[in-house]
Amino acid sequence: GAVVSQHPSWVICKSGTSVKIECRSLDFQATTMFWYRQFPKQSLMLMATSNEGSKATYEQGVEKDKFLINHASLTLSTLTVTSAHPEDSSFYICSASPRTRRAGELFFGEGSRLTVL
Amino acid sequence: GNSVTQMEGPVTLSEEAFLTINCTYTATGYPSLFWYVQYPGEGLQLLLKATKADDKGSNKGFEATYRKETTSFHLEKGSVQVSDSAVYFCALNSGGSNYKLTFGKGTLLTVNP
Repeated sequence: GAVVSQHPSWVICKSGTSVKIECRSLDFQATTMFWYRQFPKQSLMLMATSNEGSKATYEQGVEKDKFLINHASLTLSTLTVTSAHPEDSSFYICSASPRTRRAGELFFGEGSRLTVL
Repeated sequence: GNSVTQMEGPVTLSEEAFLTINCTYTATGYPSLFWYVQYPGEGLQLLLKATKADDKGSNKGFEATYRKETTSFHLEKGSVQVSDSAVYFCALNSGGSNYKLTFGKGTLLTVNP
C-alpha cells in the first residue's frame, strides 16, 4: 500500500523556538496533503489543507502565522510551528491524497509528537 | 456543518467476544463513511468504507452498514482478537474535489486474552 512518512516522530523543544515537521509520500504523488492535530482522548482536528504549489487553506481558528505550511513538491509538505509554546504540545498527523485517488483514499503518516517545555 | 459522534471508550472485551462500536453522523448531502484504525505506534489506516446508503463495508472480519434513515455506521465484529486492540475512528467525507475528513473522537478497544 501507499506509504506516508513523517519526520521527526517526536520532538522536544524549548518555548519560543520553531519546529519543522515533514510529511512525505514515499511511493506516490500527492496533490493534496492534510495536517491534523490530535489531543489526548480527542478526535483528529483538521488544521489545514495543503495543495502543491499553492497556499494552504486553514480551518477556522487555526493561526496561519503560527502554523506555517509549505507544500513545495508533490511528495513533501512541511508544517512549521513558530515560536512554540507549551500549549502547542500535541500530536500532529499528516495525510496525503494520491493524484489518482478514489473517494476517501487518504494515507496517514505515523504522527509527530511535539512537546514544548 | 458535518459532525461524527461515536461511542465513548474505552471498550474492554475478552477474546472472541462480539464487538459493536456505535457511530452516528450529521452531514449535508450524501457523505461517504469510513472506519479508520490506529494501532499502537502507527498511523491511521483505512479499515473499511461505504459510499452510499445501504452499502456494507467489510474488512478483516469487521463490518459496517451505511444506514441513511438512522444516520449511522456502526462497526461490528463477531469475534475479536487480541490483535484488534487499537483506536477506531469513524469518519465522513462530504465529497467534492476536496477529500476533507471529519472524524469522531475515537474509541479505544482493548481485547484481553
